[in-house]
Amino acid sequence: SQQGEEDPQALSIQEGENATMNCSYKTSINNLQWYRQNSGRGLVHLILIRSNEREKHSGRLRVTLDTSKKSSSLLITASRAADTASYFCATPEGGSEKLVFGKGTKLTVNP
Amino acid sequence: DGGITQSPKYLFRKEGQNVTLSCEQNLNHDAMYWYRQDPGQGLRLIYYSQIVNDFQKGDIAEGYSVSREKKESFPLTVTSAQKNPTAFYLCASSIDRSVVFGSGTQLSVL
Repeated sequence: SQQGEEDPQALSIQEGENATMNCSYKTSINNLQWYRQNSGRGLVHLILIRSNEREKHSGRLRVTLDTSKKSSSLLITASRAADTASYFCATPEGGSEKLVFGKGTKLTVNP
Repeated sequence: DGGITQSPKYLFRKEGQNVTLSCEQNLNHDAMYWYRQDPGQGLRLIYYSQIVNDFQKGDIAEGYSVSREKKESFPLTVTSAQKNPTAFYLCASSIDRSVVFGSGTQLSVL
């Protein structure tokens, strides 16, 4: 079952620009998580936002959550070439810790 | 250093052969998971285990088997019944919403 869907599927920007990725989900959640994956590698946890939070920051990352629209966004400010990766949102299924992932957004930051 | 280790990094399977992917964690996490990732796609859950000696099927369990005899270990066997096994396999473990992934195993068919 696919819960989160990221948009756009691919994004190409220049270094220094901001990158915004969106995630929509279908059922009620108690948290939403964003992960990063470099090509051919495992996923790295970036940030978790709880259902009672609207916005969360971590360094150059800013995540928003709108539970009324069942959507979240990940903003990377002042992007760098090293930010090139795929970004996934994930939500827990039911009351478990089992995560359901979207298909991801492939971000390319050109130097 | 605590972490989750997958081996091998690359694995090749012949027709009709079963192969086993290893996943070991020293994080003392109760829950462990196996995901499959196809090129340009998200992760799909194969099997998960919330506690030793117990595991549940995920969304695409057919053609796969697992065991959880020890807390630290959750090996995945790709059986000959899995007709399209070429993919990137990711193991993960979790506790209290903290999820850690291994670095993955790329399985290809010869």
